[in-house]
Amino acid sequence: QSALTQPASVSGSPGQSITISCTGTSSDVGGYNYVSWYQQHPGKAPQFIIYDVSSRPSGVSSRFSGSKSGNTASLTISGLQAEDEADYYCCSYTRSGSTYVFGTGTKVTVL
Amino acid sequence: EVQLVQSGAEVKKPGESLKISCKIFGYSFNNYWIGWVRQMPGKGLEWMAITYFGGSATKYDPSFRGQVTISVDKSIDTAYLQWSSLKSTDTAIYYCASATDGNFHWDHWGQGALVTVSS
Repeated sequence: QSALTQPASVSGSPGQSITISCTGTSSDVGGYNYVSWYQQHPGKAPQFIIYDVSSRPSGVSSRFSGSKSGNTASLTISGLQAEDEADYYCCSYTRSGSTYVFGTGTKVTVL
Repeated sequence: EVQLVQSGAEVKKPGESLKISCKIFGYSFNNYWIGWVRQMPGKGLEWMAITYFGGSATKYDPSFRGQVTISVDKSIDTAYLQWSSLKSTDTAIYYCASATDGNFHWDHWGQGALVTVSS
């Protein structure tokens, strides 16, 4: 199946808010509330930061929030900090093969 | 605490076989899934396959079906990803990840295993 579509890069200054979009189809993002988001720092394994579209696991900063409208999910990082500079990937359960699909990934740069 | 510990880096030649492992610690029961994810150099994450530790369900992404085989040994809580004939394009970092059955997110990840295939 095709990867979900994310912008290649998003940047912002410290303290600002940024939003990363993740566009799929009715077979994945639009069909299920099973979108999760992962943060990956260089040379490190991914870590999940949002699950089930908008739920946040314990220990993850409240500056991270998720939402969904139709076939597009979004991750918002508010109060941007230097430590937020990383790659971010969305992931959705997909009807196709009853498995999962990642987004193309977004590099977040803190200016 | 759940931990996934992967085997170390490998350097192989094209045509060789390889089996890498993912040792799982911390689950009280086998009601979890293990997935394998590929990350080619400088590229994004790609789902390869998932398997249910509590049963026999295994699902492959179409791009990887027939290219790799995943398996588990429940007696030692270990999952495997194997190739019968490596190609240079298999050079990548491979991650295992786990998800509790009924959840649809991958909350624990291994540290990754770098596989380099070069003549």
